[in-house]
Amino acid sequence: QKEVEQNSGPLSVPEGAIASLNCTYSDRGSQSFFWYRQYSGKSPELIMSIYSNGDKEDGRFTAQLNKASQYVSLLIRDSQPSDSATYLCAVNPSGGSNYKLTFGKGTLLTVNP
Amino acid sequence: EPEVTQTPSHQVTQMGQEVILRCVPISNHLYFYWYRQILGQKVEFLVSFYNNEISEKSEIFDDQFSVERPDGSNFTLKIRSTKLEDSAMYFCASTPGGSFYTFGSGTRLTVV
Repeated sequence: QKEVEQNSGPLSVPEGAIASLNCTYSDRGSQSFFWYRQYSGKSPELIMSIYSNGDKEDGRFTAQLNKASQYVSLLIRDSQPSDSATYLCAVNPSGGSNYKLTFGKGTLLTVNP
Repeated sequence: EPEVTQTPSHQVTQMGQEVILRCVPISNHLYFYWYRQILGQKVEFLVSFYNNEISEKSEIFDDQFSVERPDGSNFTLKIRSTKLEDSAMYFCASTPGGSFYTFGSGTRLTVV
């Protein structure tokens, strides 16, 4: 069973702080990694994708990938109350066809004004 | 910006009834998916569809489930005889290729 694990939280940070979200995955052959944001009752929304070891930055968001440790993280700098949501880690597992995604359960982030 | 459209937004049905959830993927996308999310749980893959046929299905996608693309635009998920445990949010998604999904806004299915 190919699993994606996340700390369910809640993770609470003050406005302006850095929020750090973590994810581990079991399928060592996975090649593509994604972070989605999901507001309560809404559909997931893609924030970041990462494919290579190291960091990838997009605005206030930085995704980090370490394939040897099977670890993906998302940093949110200058956190805003509007960032309060559940963050889903998703992995395209090896051997799957057609870009199927396996999701973690998500980490609930609360940014306090 | 192009959208994936799902209808209805909320469906209440009695146990044992058939339901059809409808999706209109983005027009130039080639790969279509259904996922579901039981309240408080993770988003789970149900089925992928490419070139007018199922390319992969999960263990959840048993004989009670079926998908169709009856014309060039719609993509439907049918549940033949609903159970209480089918109550969930059902998301349709599409992509031109790669896992850069566009998700629809979802259908909340409540089985009573």
